Amino acid sequence: GQQLNQSPQSMFIQEGEDVSMNCTSSSIFNTWLWYKQDPGEGPVLLIALYKAGELTSNGRLTAQFGITRKDSFLNISASIPSDVGIYFCAEDNTDKLIFGTGTRLQVFP
Amino acid sequence: DAGVIQSPRHEVTEMGQEVTLRCKPISGHDYLFWYRQTMMRGLELLIYFNNNVPIDDSGMPEDRFSAKMPNASFSTLKIQPSEPRDSAVYFCASRIGTSPYEQYFGPGTRLTVT
Repeated sequence: GQQLNQSPQSMFIQEGEDVSMNCTSSSIFNTWLWYKQDPGEGPVLLIALYKAGELTSNGRLTAQFGITRKDSFLNISASIPSDVGIYFCAEDNTDKLIFGTGTRLQVFP
Repeated sequence: DAGVIQSPRHEVTEMGQEVTLRCKPISGHDYLFWYRQTMMRGLELLIYFNNNVPIDDSGMPEDRFSAKMPNASFSTLKIQPSEPRDSAVYFCASRIGTSPYEQYFGPGTRLTVT
């Protein structure tokens, strides 16, 4: 079955630093999605990518859909304490979302 | 507007007991999803409904798990009998059919089976 591997598994950074995380798949995707899960809450959609090579920004967040359609990365610039949480990539598979393993981000002041 | 509502938020039960988790989707949403999240397996889709009809239950772990959606505003996930390995956070999510990626998640139910 499809697998979405995210790296790194966890990150510990200082406030103000930039963050980069990525997601790779064994299959070709038509859509890449990035979600964030705050502690004690459900995931919330951050960015959706629809075609290979697409680069999309949402505030301090930037995500790109890899040319091979098997990977995507998410960058966060100038991190702040509220960026803490788990970041998931996901793929849409005919109504269903398949989630990656997640990257846990911790931001220290 | 109210988001997805789940109850209870926390449930502690003993092995062998029946557990029922409840979900109220966002009004007007025609898709409802049940997920389970654990450290070992991450976020897994268990089952989803479209217009109250179960579409795909291939993620349901075994016969001890069942889900129903008697109407557009209510769904249940039942575990009978519960086992310690069922301990996890269970999320319900809903979306409207015209917006395929924007699933709205509830706050989750943290289940502990002792």
